[in-house]
Amino acid sequence: QQQVKQSPQSLIVQKGGISIINCAYENTAFDYFPWYQQFPGKGPALLIAIRPDVSEKKEGRFTISFNKSAKQFSLHIMDSQPGDSATYFCAASMGNQGGKLIFGQGTELSVKP
Amino acid sequence: AAGVIQSPRHLIKEKRETATLKCYPIPRHDTVYWYQQGPGQDPQFLISFYEKMQSDKGSIPDRFSAQQFSDYHSELNMSSLELGDSALYFCASSLRTEQFFGPGTRLTVL
Repeated sequence: QQQVKQSPQSLIVQKGGISIINCAYENTAFDYFPWYQQFPGKGPALLIAIRPDVSEKKEGRFTISFNKSAKQFSLHIMDSQPGDSATYFCAASMGNQGGKLIFGQGTELSVKP
Repeated sequence: AAGVIQSPRHLIKEKRETATLKCYPIPRHDTVYWYQQGPGQDPQFLISFYEKMQSDKGSIPDRFSAQQFSDYHSELNMSSLELGDSALYFCASSLRTEQFFGPGTRLTVL
């Protein structure tokens, strides 16, 4: 059973457009929600993260929106660039459970020039 | 800035052989995590260590074992390798909450 559900599975966006990836979770004990970017054959790289006491966090072109009541969070990539083409994973963890990350299924983003 | 180091980067083994993967966390990080990522899959948690003690265990086969040493580096030992063990194995380290991943070891079992 996938504890963190991510959509869409793949996404094609034009250069300069906005990429939006959504995640949903069931376990209300999760208290940390990071997003990772992964290029083929490379390790996941931490992009941005949020805790449930905050509804939005922005770092550069990346924004996380968090809806605690709906148990959903999303990543917005503004002014998407071809270099953003990668697989994006949302994740969740519980601080009192050792902090292991539970990942979503991943979204393969392709930004067309 | 120093990153997580993993070795070897690539490993090819035959079925039923043994493999040892090494992880060197970011200096001063006290927690190490191991994840397995199959082709086209999301990373799956295997095991973690906090201050050299096992802190959590995921879907890790009994054929696998791991430990963290006094210098905080960690090793994942995999015995009786099966074709299905072919995957990318990542180590991540953290000091508080943020986990930073290494470049991974690509294990191929023939």
